[in-house]
Amino acid sequence: GAGVSQSPSNKVTEKGKDVELRCDPISGHTALYWYRQRLGQGLEFLIYFQGNSAPDKSGLPSDRFSAERTGESVSTLTIQRTQQEDSAVYLCASSFVGQGREQYFGPGTRLTVT
Amino acid sequence: GESVGLHLPTLSVQEGDNSIINCAYSNSASDYFIWYKQESGKGPQFIIDIRSNMDKRQGQRVTVLLNKTVKHLSLQIAATQPGDSAVYFCAEAYFGNEKLTFGTGTRLTIIP
Repeated sequence: GAGVSQSPSNKVTEKGKDVELRCDPISGHTALYWYRQRLGQGLEFLIYFQGNSAPDKSGLPSDRFSAERTGESVSTLTIQRTQQEDSAVYLCASSFVGQGREQYFGPGTRLTVT
Repeated sequence: GESVGLHLPTLSVQEGDNSIINCAYSNSASDYFIWYKQESGKGPQFIIDIRSNMDKRQGQRVTVLLNKTVKHLSLQIAATQPGDSAVYFCAEAYFGNEKLTFGTGTRLTIIP
């Protein structure tokens, strides 16, 4: 079946602008995660959605970052008033609940803030 | 604070040889340790995991070893192939806490 998809694949924006990144998880996966990966570094956890439970937002770096999820499908990560340090690849992953150690990742959105 | 880290940032191995990628962790309370592979321009891909109550687990051409005494995790890849070239990340997780904590990564390069 189809994997996790993300859009856009690349986004260039000016400092101070808002951006929205989209993630379509694998059908049937009720858990959805967002990570940030700076160049040459590991993945930083941002936020985790599990079914109808309140999301775990403990990894969001500032109040400029927010995310929403519509039911058990699409999720949108929004970054307001972008800064140059927000430049990174934003990765989305999904999994079955209770199987978070085996996450399926999308290809990521490369965000460049100029 | 607690962290998952790696000994070496890069590793070059001759095609056909075995590769060993190492990872040190500091949080002995983790329930699972996982290895992911990330090819250029792609998202990470799950390779294998091991529960904290195990010492060794084997998969297809891969073996993960866990040494809880020294808080060390390793991934062994047998008979490496060009397609094994990638960045390998170790990660840790807990029962009931689905988010993963990733290490920095090791870049594995296969020499033809």
